[in-house]
Amino acid sequence: DGGITQSPKYLFRKEGQNVTLSCEQNLNHDAMYWYRQDPGQGLRLIYYSQIVNDFQKGDIAEGYSVSREKKESFPLTVTSAQKNPTAFYLCASRTGKNTEAFFGQGTRLTVV
Amino acid sequence: AQKITQTQPGMFVQEKEAVTLDCTYDTSDPSYGLFWYKQPSSGEMIFLIYQGSYDQQNATEGRYSLNFQKARKSANLVISASQLGDSAMYFCAMSLNAGGTSYGKLTFGQGTILTVHP
Repeated sequence: DGGITQSPKYLFRKEGQNVTLSCEQNLNHDAMYWYRQDPGQGLRLIYYSQIVNDFQKGDIAEGYSVSREKKESFPLTVTSAQKNPTAFYLCASRTGKNTEAFFGQGTRLTVV
Repeated sequence: AQKITQTQPGMFVQEKEAVTLDCTYDTSDPSYGLFWYKQPSSGEMIFLIYQGSYDQQNATEGRYSLNFQKARKSANLVISASQLGDSAMYFCAMSLNAGGTSYGKLTFGQGTILTVHP
């Protein structure tokens, strides 16, 4: 079945550590997105990519990094520079203009 | 630039009644798309309905309809005959369709929590 897969579902990080969240899609979508959601809040855009080897900062990119080496994959690294990383992270993809985004199941990151 | 505003943090509705969730947007681009998503407590994002800025008619999908008022820059979601399973967070989102670096950016509002009472 086609879809978008995020892993892991739950992730615990010690302060000062970098962690990488995985996002893979087999929908052949060009655009991919990373969002952060805090409890009871909306989705805030971290980074997005429209084609391989290209990506743009969203509204809250500080403390995060991404890569887009393959069309199918858009991993997000939460660096130690992100002071408050505990949140729910959602990855999405879509074919382009005028199309809805498909979302993964999310990764819940907790700093311990 | 693009901005989405949902001013209702929470809404309550009686089962079988209709409810309207508000969404206003701000952009100077003439070509854009508007989306509504549902997020149950499980966290998954479920696409509900889409409206293009040039669409002449309001979008409908089953019990969902989008009341699109372009001059007022509003794109309200109407849910008819509410069901208990409609209780969830609802998000409005916008994407610009013109070229340039804004293409592809998908921006969400703050969300509205809908509670359906039996």
